[in-house]
Amino acid sequence: DAMVIQNPRYQVTQFGKPVTLSCSQTLNHNVMYWYQQKSSQAPKLLFHYYDKDFNNEADTPDNFQSRRPNTSFCFLDIRSPGLGDAAMYLCATSRTTGRNEQYFGPGTRLTVT
Amino acid sequence: SQQGEEDPQALSIQEGENATMNCSYKTSINNLQWYRQNSGRGLVHLILIRSNEREKHSGRLRVTLDTSKKSSSLLITASRAADTASYFCATDALVGGSYIPTFGRGTSLIVHP
Repeated sequence: DAMVIQNPRYQVTQFGKPVTLSCSQTLNHNVMYWYQQKSSQAPKLLFHYYDKDFNNEADTPDNFQSRRPNTSFCFLDIRSPGLGDAAMYLCATSRTTGRNEQYFGPGTRLTVT
Repeated sequence: SQQGEEDPQALSIQEGENATMNCSYKTSINNLQWYRQNSGRGLVHLILIRSNEREKHSGRLRVTLDTSKKSSSLLITASRAADTASYFCATDALVGGSYIPTFGRGTSLIVHP
């Protein structure tokens, strides 16, 4: 089945230790998104790629970086995680932007110790 | 950026009852989407309604849109325990030249068997 896969599902990292979360898709969608979701809050868009075009939300901290080496894969790098970065990180895809629904992965729960 | 606001924040009902959730937003939209999220999982798309549509149905789901009041409602009829989840509305936000769904805080629905 076509899907969005996130690995790992659970990630524990130490304060300040770089961590990378990965997302892959078999939908061949043009757009990939990263959202951060804290408990009982709305998913907050960090950035998105339209093909190779990278779009950063204005208030996304510099601590967060992303890479999209090809259509199928997208990575979220957190260079120096702080305690406030503990959250669920959701990857999503859509065929295009605008009227298209998004398909979400199951998320990666990040814990910072 | 624009964000939909859901109301109520939490809703608790008995199986078989109807559940109604509302979403209000601030600026004009191209379309509005509703998503569902089971605890600790990614979001699943339910319905997209365009700004020129007033009502849409999908199985037990009914979505209405009133652009004059800048509001939408999601009705789940004959609810089941399996409908227990958080429900989010998403409205467009212009990011980097593209319209990207922006989520509200959601309504947490509990359906008691």
